[in-house]
Amino acid sequence: GAVVSQHPSRVICKSGTSVKIECRSLDFQATTMFWYRQFPKQSLMLMATSNEGSKATYEQGVEKDKFLINHASLTLSTLTVTSAHPEDSSFYICSARRTGGLNGGYGYTFGSGTRLTVV
Amino acid sequence: AQSVTQPDIHITVSEGASLELRCNYSYGATPYLFWYVQSPGQGLQLLLKYFSGDTLVQGIKGFEAEFKRSQSSFNLRKPSVHWSDAAEYFCAVGDNTDKLIFGTGTRLQVFP
Repeated sequence: GAVVSQHPSRVICKSGTSVKIECRSLDFQATTMFWYRQFPKQSLMLMATSNEGSKATYEQGVEKDKFLINHASLTLSTLTVTSAHPEDSSFYICSARRTGGLNGGYGYTFGSGTRLTVV
Repeated sequence: AQSVTQPDIHITVSEGASLELRCNYSYGATPYLFWYVQSPGQGLQLLLKYFSGDTLVQGIKGFEAEFKRSQSSFNLRKPSVHWSDAAEYFCAVGDNTDKLIFGTGTRLQVFP
């Protein structure tokens, strides 16, 4: 159980275009999802927290207008990189928090990531 | 604000040797602590987590970690490393805001 599906796994796009990345919780409901960005050989940097039915909360320094997040249902969050440029090339990973969870504690499940290359 | 430090960027061990990956955290209250493993180009897999109770936590793949409040540490251990354990390991701390803050990671290399 507790599977998060992230698509696409790899995407190459031209500079100036937009790219949408989907994150789906397959067998549980996720009121909260998280989007991370990871540069090569570096750690995961939290970009934003996505809450179902409300606006995402962005971390300091993350451009809201460039990285659009939508969490329209309890099982789906999307990240759209708008007007992508080469510096947006990175590995993007989503995470979903299970409601309730073991002993009421945290249950985070990560997607397999999306490698975005902007040419 | 909470933070996580993984002092070792890269560790190399021989297959069959024991392993300890260090993790130190900074957080005012009792933290929620996690260890994740990441293979190249993949997402993260949870190895183990600590919320409360027994400070020695058992995880998957033969890993364990010990929470030491006095040292603000949550080191990951494995008595005998397998070649398939070669990967990137991340320690993370969570608080009551739901966010996970990750350390910089430790890359484990295993020699036959």
